[in-house]
Amino acid sequence: QSALTQPPSASGSPGQSVTISCTGSGSDIGNYNYVSWYQQRPGTAPRLMIYQVTKRPSGVPGRFSGSKSGNTAYLTVSGLLAEDEADYYCSSYAGSIRPHEIFGGGTKLTVL
Amino acid sequence: EVQLVESGGGLVRPGGSLRLSCGASGFPFNRYTMNWVRQAPGKGLEWVSSISLSSSYIHYADSVRGRFIISRDNAKNSLYLQILSLRVEDTAVYYCARDLGSDDYDTWAHEYWGQGTLVTVSP
Repeated sequence: QSALTQPPSASGSPGQSVTISCTGSGSDIGNYNYVSWYQQRPGTAPRLMIYQVTKRPSGVPGRFSGSKSGNTAYLTVSGLLAEDEADYYCSSYAGSIRPHEIFGGGTKLTVL
Repeated sequence: EVQLVESGGGLVRPGGSLRLSCGASGFPFNRYTMNWVRQAPGKGLEWVSSISLSSSYIHYADSVRGRFIISRDNAKNSLYLQILSLRVEDTAVYYCARDLGSDDYDTWAHEYWGQGTLVTVSP
């Protein structure tokens, strides 16, 4: 149950777009469309931003979008706002014999 | 309003045990898969365990299998995590989280989270 791989940091200026990658394997991201993305601000619980690769829960701004190619998933934040500065975590279902979920190590997004 | 409130954390010696609870309100508890997710201080998120609506399906991370026991009481709208043989590396904030999909529509996405309860394992 190895963790998914995310870059430790990403940054962009207000109004710009930034994309965060999340790399797994054929046993998780590559084989299932159960990729989620979470936003976590300091001292608070995570917030679901994207689920099933591309879907946004109610209340999440349209500036957040998700995609996947092969074993790698992506979170794109368009029109960056200062409030987007946070840690972002990806996760994926990793099924087969023992269903489980794995998270990425997290990416600290800085709005310059 | 959906609310999840964890309790039961504290300071425990290695080898000890603890029972965490999560009280749920604002939604039909018996229609949702529930999860425990933990976060060590300054570290990332780690999924711990999940339990289906009627407890028919229970899953654990390899790191806790055999030491942690997840359960639920739908009559009390409560989720539990029994933690046995605690290790220093179990030190973390433990979050209770509700899945987005209801009625066995698995999404493996956690839409609602509690504020967490801190478990500290130290000699």
